[in-house]
Amino acid sequence: QITLKESGPTLVKPTQTLTLTCAFSGFSFSTAGVAVGWIRQSPGKALEWLALIYWNDDKHYSPSLKSRLTVIKDTSTNQVVLTMTNMDPADTATYYCVHTGIAATGTPYYWGQGTLVTVSS
Amino acid sequence: DVVMTQSPLSLSVTLGQPASISCRSSQSLAHSDGYTHLNWFQQRPGQSPRRLIYKVSNRDSGVPDRFSGSGSGTDFTLEISRVEAEDVGVYYCMQVTHWPRTFGPGTKVEIK
Repeated sequence: QITLKESGPTLVKPTQTLTLTCAFSGFSFSTAGVAVGWIRQSPGKALEWLALIYWNDDKHYSPSLKSRLTVIKDTSTNQVVLTMTNMDPADTATYYCVHTGIAATGTPYYWGQGTLVTVSS
Repeated sequence: DVVMTQSPLSLSVTLGQPASISCRSSQSLAHSDGYTHLNWFQQRPGQSPRRLIYKVSNRDSGVPDRFSGSGSGTDFTLEISRVEAEDVGVYYCMQVTHWPRTFGPGTKVEIK
């Protein structure tokens, strides 16, 4: 059974760096093709794809946020970490961690419960 | 980026009646692997999104057969044959053919 769970601060100040951790179980980055991604959703708004990291450390980022995002994986602890620099109130959102299967064109199937991050001074 | 548009953005449906949501992409979603990677998600109030349909028309396990997907190229449709109360929520299309992955704006379905 695949599960993912996001954790991190619920409140960050403008200009600070956000660090979110996705702890997962039921799969491993040792499996070829596995990928974990991040998607966010501002309150009352649509879903926005942020980043994806593959089993082989290949990474993809949203071009509009690329300069602010970093995603890394820790194979030994089954975690993925997303950092976003220079946080702004517009970054207030629920951040989801997702498992996209083992295909290069995998789609988010397993989702975490999401973690709400508020950016405010 | 591939821009995904949906229509309508809001839909009020009588229980038991059909519903249809359109999704259009600014570029063809046909992939070199031979598949078209257009997916549909349902997000019920207060819940994480749930995938319903992948590769245009493939229903995920546990998804009622009243949900169906169709389309090709740049035009796609999600149909609900008979809307039930549990179908209330927001429906999103998403493409994974091109980078970056992109979602549609969502269609809110409510019961009339």
